[in-house]
Amino acid sequence: GAVVSQHPSWVICKSGTSVKIECRSLDFQATTMFWYRQFPKQSLMLMATSNEGSKATYEQGVEKDKFLINHASLTLSTLTVTSAHPEDSSFYICSARGLRDYEQYFGPGTRLTVT
Amino acid sequence: GQNIDQPTEMTATEGAIVQINCTYQTSGFNGLFWYQQHAGEAPTFLSYNVLDGLEEKGRFSSFLSRSKGYSYLLLKELQMKDSASYLCAVMDSNYQLIWGAGTKLIIKP
Repeated sequence: GAVVSQHPSWVICKSGTSVKIECRSLDFQATTMFWYRQFPKQSLMLMATSNEGSKATYEQGVEKDKFLINHASLTLSTLTVTSAHPEDSSFYICSARGLRDYEQYFGPGTRLTVT
Repeated sequence: GQNIDQPTEMTATEGAIVQINCTYQTSGFNGLFWYQQHAGEAPTFLSYNVLDGLEEKGRFSSFLSRSKGYSYLLLKELQMKDSASYLCAVMDSNYQLIWGAGTKLIIKP
């Protein structure tokens, strides 16, 4: 089956620093990847849709200059949280669209803690 | 606006059956998904319904009625490991997933 990996699985960083999270589709090519954020006891919130070779589409309320997304290849998308603050601490999950539009495969998530 | 409603929390007994309901109002419809999410983990796919009716997959079944904007997930022979959050999500006309808030299922021995 289709596998999506994320790296790192967890990260602790200091306030003001930047953190990069990688999302890879391991055995398929993904032209579209999605980045979600999930706070404790809440559902997934779509942050942005990342298309290979073009700019990401951000959801309302998500700062594109703070959450930089790069989808440079068909198997890799990265999310960089710039100038992280404690309120950015969350569970970040990526997913990749499969061959069919309705297919979406999730990565295992990255837990970010900003101190 | 787009809206997905499901109960916040349900409790059931090991070995029993539980039905988790989901109602939706979305702009367009390209299918309804159920995902299971254990605490601290990413969601895992359970089912996909795009046509009306019941889809059975082992102990789990999912039902869809597009005219009523309604779905349910049926879990049989409940096991302790089924304790998790169950997320209902609808794919809209742009093939984006619209997520419900999730139903936390607590299984008691």
